[in-house]
Amino acid sequence: KAGVTQTPRYLIKTRGQQVTLSCSPISGHRSVSWYQQTPGQGLQFLFEYFSETQRNKGNFPGRFSGRQFSNSRSEMNVSTLELGDSALYLCASSLSGISEAFFGQGTRLTVV
Amino acid sequence: AQRVTQPEKLLSVFKGAPVELKCNYSYSGSPELFWYVQYSRQRLQLLLRHISRESIKGFTADLNKGETSFHLKKPFAQEEDSAMYYCALSRQGAQKLVFGQGTRLTINP
Repeated sequence: KAGVTQTPRYLIKTRGQQVTLSCSPISGHRSVSWYQQTPGQGLQFLFEYFSETQRNKGNFPGRFSGRQFSNSRSEMNVSTLELGDSALYLCASSLSGISEAFFGQGTRLTVV
Repeated sequence: AQRVTQPEKLLSVFKGAPVELKCNYSYSGSPELFWYVQYSRQRLQLLLRHISRESIKGFTADLNKGETSFHLKKPFAQEEDSAMYYCALSRQGAQKLVFGQGTRLTINP
């Protein structure tokens, strides 16, 4: 079956702009989580959605937001981009909150 | 606070030698522990989790609650084991992983 798909794979944005990243989970998976990966901070949890509701949230500013649609696809939005937002953003899906998480290949965001 | 520490950023061993990747954690409660692996140009994937108590690709990991450790071990390393390894924890029932900084394992021929 198809894995977790993230689009786009690469993105270049200018400071102050906003960006939307998309994640399509494995069919049947209802939980979608987002992570930010940077060389300095490593992998950090952003938030998790389950059945269209945010269930867990990490320690990121309000500029980072997300949503989940009825088909379990999820989007992540970052407003007023800063240089420090440059990172690899990973999405993971799972059947429920206690099962194995399957990761996508990530979207590499560069803010200039 | 929840924290995962992997003390070695880089680890290099020879093929056929034993491998141990260290992971220590701090957590007030009963966490669920995982090892994730990322091979070159591949996505992050689950290697094993403590509740399953399985051996995957020859790797095992035992949860030591007294020492708050979850070290990953393999008795005989193979070249295909070269990868980035991440230890992670979550609260039981929560899909919120806290990752260590990772250890890059290189197996020399």
